[in-house]
Amino acid sequence: DAGVIQSPRHEVTEMGQEVTLRCKPISGHDYLFWYRQTMMRGLELLIYFNNNVPIDDSGMPEDRFSAKMPNASFSTLKIQPSEPRDSAVYFCASSPQNRGGNTEAFFGQGTRLTVV
Amino acid sequence: SQKIEQNSEALNIQEGKTATLTCNYTNYSPAYLQWYRQDPGRGPVFLLLIRENEKEKRKERLKVTFDTTLKQSLFHITASQPADSATYLCALSGSSNTGKLIFGQGTTLQVKP
Repeated sequence: DAGVIQSPRHEVTEMGQEVTLRCKPISGHDYLFWYRQTMMRGLELLIYFNNNVPIDDSGMPEDRFSAKMPNASFSTLKIQPSEPRDSAVYFCASSPQNRGGNTEAFFGQGTRLTVV
Repeated sequence: SQKIEQNSEALNIQEGKTATLTCNYTNYSPAYLQWYRQDPGRGPVFLLLIRENEKEKRKERLKVTFDTTLKQSLFHITASQPADSATYLCALSGSSNTGKLIFGQGTTLQVKP
C-alpha cells in the first residue's frame, strides 16, 4: 500500500478563496483523522470519522471549515472562505479498527496551506 | 479541559547518552498512550504504544513508561545517535470504543556527535 495520500502538497491561495484538501486513507482502515499543525498550537485534531461517519468535529474551528467522507477511500477538508490565520500544515491520518487494543495512526505527508 | 504537556524547550544531548522526554496530562484518563517521531516536512511516524495496565514497554533502544497515578509517561532513547534528532510527540486515546487520538505539542531532540 502507498500509505495515506494527501493532495495537494502545497497550496497558496488568496484570502476569501475556497480551499479543498484531499485525502486517500490506507485501504481497510476504518478511522480517518484530520489534524492541523502550527508552531503555536502544535497538532490539533479537527475531526475524525469512523466507517465514513463523522464522530467528533469539536475541533473544527469555525463554520468556515467542513469535512466529508463520501466513501471509504476518500475524504475532503474544505475551508470557505479562507483567511490568513488558516495557514498551517494539514495532516490526514488513518487507523485500523480497534480489535481489543488501540492501534497506531498512519499519517500522510501533509498539505502546507498558505493564505495570503 | 484535556491537556497534554510536553517540554517545549529543545533537549540537547551528546551522542551515546540516554535521552529522556516527558509527557504529562490532566483531565484525562487515557487507556492508551503512544509516541511518535516527526521529522521536518514530514508527517508523524508511530514508534510505541503502551496500555494503561502496562508499566513499561521496550523496543530496541526505546523504552516507554506509563504512570497513571502521576499522569505521566517517560520516553527514553538509550545510546542516542545524531539520527535520533527529531521532534517526539506523545498522543493519548481513550478506551477501545473511541478512536479519538490527541497529541501533545512535542519535544525537539538534538543529539550532537
